[in-house]
Amino acid sequence: GNSVTQMEGPVTLSEEAFLTINCTYTATGYPSLFWYVQYPGEGLQLLLKATKADDKGSNKGFEATYRKETTSFHLEKGSVQVSDSAVYFCALSPNTGNQFYFGTGTSLTVIP
Amino acid sequence: DAGITQSPRHKVTETGTPVTLRCHQTENHRYMYWYRQDPGHGLRLIHYSYGVKDTDKGEVSDGYSVSRSKTEDFLLTLESATSSQTSVYFCAISDPSTSGGGYNEQFFGPGTRLTVL
Repeated sequence: GNSVTQMEGPVTLSEEAFLTINCTYTATGYPSLFWYVQYPGEGLQLLLKATKADDKGSNKGFEATYRKETTSFHLEKGSVQVSDSAVYFCALSPNTGNQFYFGTGTSLTVIP
Repeated sequence: DAGITQSPRHKVTETGTPVTLRCHQTENHRYMYWYRQDPGHGLRLIHYSYGVKDTDKGEVSDGYSVSRSKTEDFLLTLESATSSQTSVYFCAISDPSTSGGGYNEQFFGPGTRLTVL
């Protein structure tokens, strides 16, 4: 079946620290992988995506590489800012059918 | 931003009353979804629609029904609300034919916070 396992939070970092949020997946076939971000009181916004193995998605300084051999899609950022405080969701789409599978979310707080 | 609105944005109701949440899109996307978000559970799919009058159940469909009479609107109904349905409800839309690569990227509405007393 399809599932996403995400690093549990909450995560608290100082400004300019390095961020890694781990995400691993189980899927049949060749899924697309996504990271979404949810700021307080808002809906989910797509942060980045990768649609095939070895693709690197990037946006706003965040990066994630689709690793088929380790079934992972870890989110990284070299220097976090207070404005990055949010909940981050890893997700996969199997590309067959029309459902999404989400991780449970990781709350990030960045302190000045 | 994708044109997705949800109404109401906040609602407080009492146990046993019916509640209908509305999702409206202006993107003409084929697929629409209802999720609920609860602490420790992330997002869980309630129902989804793959076209007008075409709907199917998700992971947590008990106690919920949906209807889609036109492309732009997807209604979620709680026939008799219970306290366990207190949650934040999100609507999402997608259409693989518009993504350029055939993958199923979803776009989310702002959410409805429902409290059942």
